[in-house]
Amino acid sequence: QVQLHQWGAGLLKPSETLSLTCNVSGGSFSYHYWNWIRQSAGKGLEWIGEINLSGSTNYNPSLKSRVTISLDTSKNQFSLKVTSMTAADTAVYYCARAYSSRSPLLYWSQGTLVTVSS
Amino acid sequence: IQLTQSPSSLSASVGDRVTITCRASQGISNYLAWYQQKPGEAPKLLIYAASILQSEVPLRFSGSGSGTDFTLTISSLQPADFATYYCQQVNAFPFTFGPGTIVDI
Repeated sequence: QVQLHQWGAGLLKPSETLSLTCNVSGGSFSYHYWNWIRQSAGKGLEWIGEINLSGSTNYNPSLKSRVTISLDTSKNQFSLKVTSMTAADTAVYYCARAYSSRSPLLYWSQGTLVTVSS
Repeated sequence: IQLTQSPSSLSASVGDRVTITCRASQGISNYLAWYQQKPGEAPKLLIYAASILQSEVPLRFSGSGSGTDFTLTISSLQPADFATYYCQQVNAFPFTFGPGTIVDI
């Protein structure tokens, strides 16, 4: 059974950088696309971006200048970094797996509430 | 690509037939998925490719549509179905979600 478990800081100050890591267990780490999504009360569900095994990424233009998604295949992990966080970035962040690009998200993590406040 | 859902919320009873509509701002072929989300939980995939039921999802759920107009139907609402439902398009980047439809009692 595929499981995604994420961790990272849940409280940030404005201008700080968000770092989240998602660990994948069960199933293959190869041949899939690894995604980050966030959900806030104001903007609903928002797709942040994806990465595949070759390291190819696609990002949401609304965040692209501040986002980096990376992969560590030796640890079956992928990560999200978002720079210059503001209160508008306060949301629950999820990692999730798609079977391939342009596929829906079947496996999701438990989510992490990230709050940006001074 | 923007997705709109209607209604934004609805009240229904156990046993009711429920239909939720998702409309895309441009054609997305059948690259549409439906998710169910309950409070405090991650979204759960119900349907993909507009009409294919994800494994282990009850048969009372069905999806249809292509192009710009899609529907999710629950044929006989059960207590476990009271939740929020979202559509998502995966036809073009950036992938986008609809605003959600709350189904409550």
